[in-house]
Amino acid sequence: KAGVTQTPRYLIKTRGQQVTLSCSPISGHRSVSWYQQTPGQGLQFLFEYFSETQRNKGNFPGRFSGRQFSNSRSEMNVSTLELGDSALYLCASSLVGGEAFFGQGTRLTVV
Amino acid sequence: AQSVTQPDIHITVSEGASLELRCNYSYGATPYLFWYVQSPGQGLQLLLKYFSGDTLVQGIKGFEAEFKRSQSSFNLRKPSVHWSDAAEYFCAVVANYGGATNKLIFGTGTLLAVQP
Repeated sequence: KAGVTQTPRYLIKTRGQQVTLSCSPISGHRSVSWYQQTPGQGLQFLFEYFSETQRNKGNFPGRFSGRQFSNSRSEMNVSTLELGDSALYLCASSLVGGEAFFGQGTRLTVV
Repeated sequence: AQSVTQPDIHITVSEGASLELRCNYSYGATPYLFWYVQSPGQGLQLLLKYFSGDTLVQGIKGFEAEFKRSQSSFNLRKPSVHWSDAAEYFCAVVANYGGATNKLIFGTGTLLAVQP
């Protein structure tokens, strides 16, 4: 069974640009969550999607958004990038009430 | 609000020595608890989980953890550490378990170094 796939693995963007990250969950998993990991703030929850609906949202500005498609694949978008958005973005997929399985992450560098 | 505390930021152990990583949680009901491991630049790998039942849970790579409700703890243990265990370890709890979310609250992590 394939794991969680995140693309791309690495990104370099310039301040002010926008970026879209993609996550393909494990087959059969309908819940997808996104986390931001930085050395200063650790692992912080961004949002969770279940059956194409956002079920939870973390404390991030509106520049951070996401969506989920009917095949459970998810994307997150960050607009007007700031230097502080440089981070490892992790996607996790879960069955309802089950453990989360993480992808390898997308390393975003904003210059 | 739920929270997870990992008191040790860094731990260094000798190869072959035993290991215990501490985790304390704050949660009103019976928590769903997890330990994850992360190698540099990689994603998180699930080591083990506690949902209910036996309070001593076995995981992968020879790790185990014990849930102690009275101490609000879920410490991770390994009897003999291998050099390949050097990584960062995260304890996590599901927020508001009840099926309404899979949101995880993480501790700050413990970075494990293994001396030869």
